[in-house]
Amino acid sequence: DQQVKQNSPSLSVQEGRISILNCDYTNSMFDYFLWYKKYPAEGPTFLISISSIKDKNEDGRFTVFLNKSAKHLSLHIVPSQPGDSAVYFCAASGGDGANNLFFGTGTRLTVIP
Amino acid sequence: DAGVTQSPTHLIKTRGQQVTLRCSPISGHKSVSWYQQVLGQGPQFIFQYYEKEERGRGNFPDRFSARQFPNYSSELNVNALLLGDSALYLCASSLVWGETNEKLFFGSGTQLSVL
Repeated sequence: DQQVKQNSPSLSVQEGRISILNCDYTNSMFDYFLWYKKYPAEGPTFLISISSIKDKNEDGRFTVFLNKSAKHLSLHIVPSQPGDSAVYFCAASGGDGANNLFFGTGTRLTVIP
Repeated sequence: DAGVTQSPTHLIKTRGQQVTLRCSPISGHKSVSWYQQVLGQGPQFIFQYYEKEERGRGNFPDRFSARQFPNYSSELNVNALLLGDSALYLCASSLVWGETNEKLFFGSGTQLSVL
């Protein structure tokens, strides 16, 4: 049972444009959400996170938006750069004191120069 | 500072064999988690250890076991290997356990192939 879903397996954008990656979740107990970036032959690298008490968190070119009522979050990258090309995973953790993560299946972002 | 280190990087085994994967967390981190990533899927939680005690376990059979040592390093053992155990095994460390805002830092993983 996939509790975190990324329905777009791939996304291509032109350099300089906005990239929007989407993620949906089903478990209303999730209260912390993270985005990880993964290059081939490397482990996932933490990118940005958001707590359920917020609806937006920004870090440089990266912004994550959370819509709790829709159980939806998105990652915006502006402007997109070729070095952003990677697989992006959405992850969530619950409110039971544990920080084990539930991951989506990932979206492969390709930024075209 | 060294990040999370895992060994070996690649491993080939045959069905029925046993395998041990090793992980050293970031210095100062006391919690270690293990994840399995099958090709085309996201990482799936296997175990979490903190202060040498198991703090969480995912939906994996008893063939999977782990332990954490006094220096906070960890081993993941898989017995009676099946073809379906072929995956990238990721280790992650965090400073503590029990804080939901605690970020996990991942190693590069061990790629296990079962033939």
